[in-house]
Amino acid sequence: EVQLVESGGGLVQPGGSLRLSCAASGFSFSSNEMNWVRQAPGKGLEWVSYISSSATIIYYADSVKGRFTISRDNAKNSLYLQMNSLRAEDTAVYYCARDMEMGDWGQGTLVTVSS
Amino acid sequence: QSVLTQPPSASGTPGQRVTISCSGSSSNIGSNYVYWYQQLPGTAPKLLIYRNNQRPSGVPDRFSGSKSGTSASLAISGLRSEDEADYYCAAWDDSLSGRVYVFGTGTKVTVL
Repeated sequence: EVQLVESGGGLVQPGGSLRLSCAASGFSFSSNEMNWVRQAPGKGLEWVSYISSSATIIYYADSVKGRFTISRDNAKNSLYLQMNSLRAEDTAVYYCARDMEMGDWGQGTLVTVSS
Repeated sequence: QSVLTQPPSASGTPGQRVTISCSGSSSNIGSNYVYWYQQLPGTAPKLLIYRNNQRPSGVPDRFSGSKSGTSASLAISGLRSEDEADYYCAAWDDSLSGRVYVFGTGTKVTVL
């Protein structure tokens, strides 16, 4: 059974940093592309970033480009999102999702940016 | 970045057929596959339709997807109370600024 478990969310002040993790199990993590998607409270889904299986191809949404960095450790079956220069509008539940079609999702981790 | 346009709401009585539209452009729906996700209240999204009209295993055949040009649609036939959820279309977009994934604005389906 595919499992994706996000962690690392919490309350952070504007301008601060946070690192999210996504622990994967139940599939060949090193063979799968991964994504981060977020959802602000009461709002729709917003794609954040994509990373290929070998991390050679990375894409970002314009809204996070230059501030967020996606990475992965295939030996640890883990996906990461380093978030810097956080803004109030980054407040959202952050989901990791498997492959380009986002066939599997984690339960999400809440990031709140507020003073 | 571009967003796919969906009606904010749709509704029907049990057993009815409901259709949700998704309008995009040549850089996303017009040149890439369309995906549909279902998000039940308080839960993570779930892939409902992939590659325009394919259903993952476990998704009832009451759900069907189609695509024509720069638009797509999701149909739910034999509407059931458990179908009450938010539905999002999505597609990869190959724009000048690079490849991005765009979601639709979302449609809340209510079973009357």
